[in-house]
Amino acid sequence: DQQVKQNSPSLSVQEGRISILNCDYTNSMFDYFLWYKKYPAEGPTFLISISSIKDKNEDGRFTVFLNKSAKHLSLHIVPSQPGDSAVYFCAASAGGGSNYKLTFGKGTLLTVNP
Amino acid sequence: DAGVIQSPRHEVTEMGQEVTLRCKPISGHDYLFWYRQTMMRGLELLIYFNNNVPIDDSGMPEDRFSAKMPNASFSTLKIQPSEPRDSAVYFCASSSQDSASDEQYFGPGTRLTVT
Repeated sequence: DQQVKQNSPSLSVQEGRISILNCDYTNSMFDYFLWYKKYPAEGPTFLISISSIKDKNEDGRFTVFLNKSAKHLSLHIVPSQPGDSAVYFCAASAGGGSNYKLTFGKGTLLTVNP
Repeated sequence: DAGVIQSPRHEVTEMGQEVTLRCKPISGHDYLFWYRQTMMRGLELLIYFNNNVPIDDSGMPEDRFSAKMPNASFSTLKIQPSEPRDSAVYFCASSSQDSASDEQYFGPGTRLTVT
C-alpha cells in the first residue's frame, strides 16, 4: 500500500516555464512534507519542506503548496532551468520533522528543455 | 565537511555470498538511516538509528538483512546470504536533531548487483 504517490513518472517543460510536480498521500497522520531532488549517480538532496500547519512555503524559485483536505501537495518551479532536470521525490513524515521515518513517493523525472 | 560517505560505491557479488555495506555519517549527526531504492518499490526506509540505537527496523525485508551502528561515526548493513532480488541502490542518510535545517543528508549510494 503506497502511502505517498507521485502519479506522473515524468514531466517535460520548456526552459523559463513553470514546472508543477504533484504528490498525493493517504496517511492522515503525516504532518511534515519534503521534496528531494536527485541527479543520476548521486544521493537525493533536500529541496524544500512544509509543515502541516502551513499551506505554502516558498524558497526562491521553489514553492510548495499543501492542501490538507485533499491530501495533496505540489512543487512549483518558476522559472524552470535546464539544471533543474532531475528526479524529484515527495516524502512525508508523521513525527513532526525529518528526524523520523520518511515515506517516499516513487519520484517524477523532470526534464527541462533549453 | 565531506558529507555522508558510503563504501563501496559499486558491489557485484554472486548469490549466496555475504555483502557488507558501510556508511560514515556527517560528524555530529545523531540520526542515521538506511534506504533501498528499486524500480518496483522506489525509495524505502529499511532501518534508522538514534544515538547508535536502532529505533525502527520494520522496513528490513527479512532476517537475511542486519544493520549495526557500533559508534557514532560508522554503520554497516549486511546481507547474508544475498539473493538476486536484493539488487538495488542502497543509501545511507544522516541528520541532526539540533540542526536549524531539518533535513536528512544522503550519501551517494552503493549500487549492489547480485548475480
